[in-house]
Amino acid sequence: DAGVTQSPTHLIKTRGQQVTLRCSPKSGHDTVSWYQQALGQGPQFIFQYYEEEERQRGNFPDRFSGHQFPNYSSELNVNALLLGDSALYLCASSHGGAVQETQYFGPGTRLLVL
Amino acid sequence: AQSVTQLGSHVSVSEGALVLLRCNYSSSVPPYLFWYVQYPNQGLQLLLKYTSAATLVKGINGFEAEFKKSETSFHLTKPSAHMSDAAEYFCAVSESGQNFVFGPGTRLSVLP
Repeated sequence: DAGVTQSPTHLIKTRGQQVTLRCSPKSGHDTVSWYQQALGQGPQFIFQYYEEEERQRGNFPDRFSGHQFPNYSSELNVNALLLGDSALYLCASSHGGAVQETQYFGPGTRLLVL
Repeated sequence: AQSVTQLGSHVSVSEGALVLLRCNYSSSVPPYLFWYVQYPNQGLQLLLKYTSAATLVKGINGFEAEFKKSETSFHLTKPSAHMSDAAEYFCAVSESGQNFVFGPGTRLSVLP
């Protein structure tokens, strides 16, 4: 049973560019959450997708957008990249979205913006 | 608004010694509380969670945490540290059921 997978593992972009990160949830999970983890800090919640809708959003600008597909996989898009967007981006999946349900995290995508 | 503080960005213990990692939270409603562990170059793994059942929660790898409402704390303990416990530990709180707020993390080093 595959866990949460993310692609790519590493990415280098320049300021102003756009990036798309991908996440496949654990089998049987229908909810995907995205987090940004800057170096030396805890993860910060970006948003959560359930039934192809953005259900909740953290304090991130509109440059951060996402999508969930019918197979529950998800994409995170970041436009007009800034140096400060350099971070580890984590995807987590769960079933139903209730907090009692354990979130399973992927290994992350490390984004470097130059 | 919910928030989490973790006292001590770095904790060092000797192998076999008690591990105590501190977590205090603020929440306007009864919270759900979590401890996650992150090994180098990996994602986060859930150690344990408090969801308003028993106040003493047992997790994986011999860890446990006690919810103390009066102290707004959820400290993580393990009686005897093992070298494999060296990692980054994050405490998290959730009020709404979807939005998790993580603390800044505590790096645990285990000395031989």
